[in-house]
Amino acid sequence: EVQLVESGGGLVQPGGSLRLSCVSSGLTSSNSVMSWVRQAPGKGLEWVSTVSDGGSSTHYADAVKGRFTISRDNSKNTLYLHMNSLRVEDTAVYYCANDGPQYSEGGVYYTSRSFGVWGQGTMVTVSS
Amino acid sequence: DIQMTQSPSTLSASVGDRVTITCRASQSFSFWLAWYQQKPGKAPNLLIYRASRLQSGVPSRFSGSGSGTEFTLTISSLQPEDFATYYCQQYYIYPNTFGQGTKLEIK
Repeated sequence: EVQLVESGGGLVQPGGSLRLSCVSSGLTSSNSVMSWVRQAPGKGLEWVSTVSDGGSSTHYADAVKGRFTISRDNSKNTLYLHMNSLRVEDTAVYYCANDGPQYSEGGVYYTSRSFGVWGQGTMVTVSS
Repeated sequence: DIQMTQSPSTLSASVGDRVTITCRASQSFSFWLAWYQQKPGKAPNLLIYRASRLQSGVPSRFSGSGSGTEFTLTISSLQPEDFATYYCQQYYIYPNTFGQGTKLEIK
């Protein structure tokens, strides 16, 4: 069973930078697509970014494009989110998540691209 | 971007009730929809994926249905531990998008 543990959150001034980490343990996550999802205080869930299993393909929400960079080091079972030019509106709990379950249809196996396992979250506060 | 709209935003119900939450999409995407449950201070938990497949370990009183632009999450008989906030999510295309959430409260 995969477990995810985030770290790196904290208080940062507007315009500052922060790097979040997400370490996976249990079954290897190197074959999994990995994502970051955030939740501002009292608000709903917002997808932030996704990286392919090998790290070569990335996707970003418009709100963070050009400021955030997702990456992974599979040798360390670690996912990263490099956050630059932080804004007050980036204040949120940041969760990492991996793929949903595998399932079979018509004799073919698929991996659901839902978010099957989540970390406990790390809080990022952007304030002066 | 695909907009996901949940209804209702808040739902009051009693233990033992059957409840249904609806999620409507701004464009059709077949079955690539998930439902999550979130309790205060906790990470979300996957309940349903591919619109109707039950995640392992999730009680069978939870079920999902729908395709295209309209999806539903049904809880057949509410238990005390089911009072939480529920989110739908499309993962058909980037940006992945979530509904705004439905808070299920005790009546």
